Amino acid sequence: DAGVTQSPTHLIKTRGQQVTLRCSPKSGHDTVSWYQQALGQGPQFIFQYYEEEERQRGNFPDRFSGHQFPNYSSELNVNALLLGDSALYLCASSLGERQWSTEAFFGQGTRLTVV
Amino acid sequence: RKEVEQDPGPFNVPEGATVAFNCTYSNSASQSFFWYRQDCRKEPKLLMSVYSSGNEDGRFTAQLNRASQYISLLIRDSKLSDSAIYLCVVNIANSGNTPLVFGKGTRLSVIA
Repeated sequence: DAGVTQSPTHLIKTRGQQVTLRCSPKSGHDTVSWYQQALGQGPQFIFQYYEEEERQRGNFPDRFSGHQFPNYSSELNVNALLLGDSALYLCASSLGERQWSTEAFFGQGTRLTVV
Repeated sequence: RKEVEQDPGPFNVPEGATVAFNCTYSNSASQSFFWYRQDCRKEPKLLMSVYSSGNEDGRFTAQLNRASQYISLLIRDSKLSDSAIYLCVVNIANSGNTPLVFGKGTRLSVIA
């Protein structure tokens, strides 16, 4: 049973560029959440996708957008990259409507460096 | 006030020591609570959920005090392999469709 997979694992981009990160959730999971973890900080919630719609969003600008596909996989897009966007981007999958079970499984992350 | 606050440490302890981490959360509506462990340059992994009655998993004991909005993690007989960052995490619901709120983490180094 494959866990959460993310690609790529590492990425270097230049300021102003655009980037797309990808995530495949754990088998059987239908909800994908994206988190940004800056160095020395805990992960910060970006947004969550369920049934191909953005259901919740954290305090991130519109430069951050996403998509969920019918197979539940997801993409995170960041436009007009800033140096401050350098971070570990984590994808977490869960069962959206399952009560009493909030365990989220994380992928290994994509380490984005903006230069 | 931060939603979830933790002492960042580092906590440097000898093997075999007992160490305790504390965490406070600001949202009284929080419903579920967790400790995650994160190794260097790796993803967070669930260590244990935290229940109102307190719960234990081997050398690890978690406690929750809803009145004080306080969560703790106790590690007994520390091992070198326990060295990691421990993240305190809360959720305002008991379902998978609400975001997790993380503390900054507490760094533990267990020394031989």
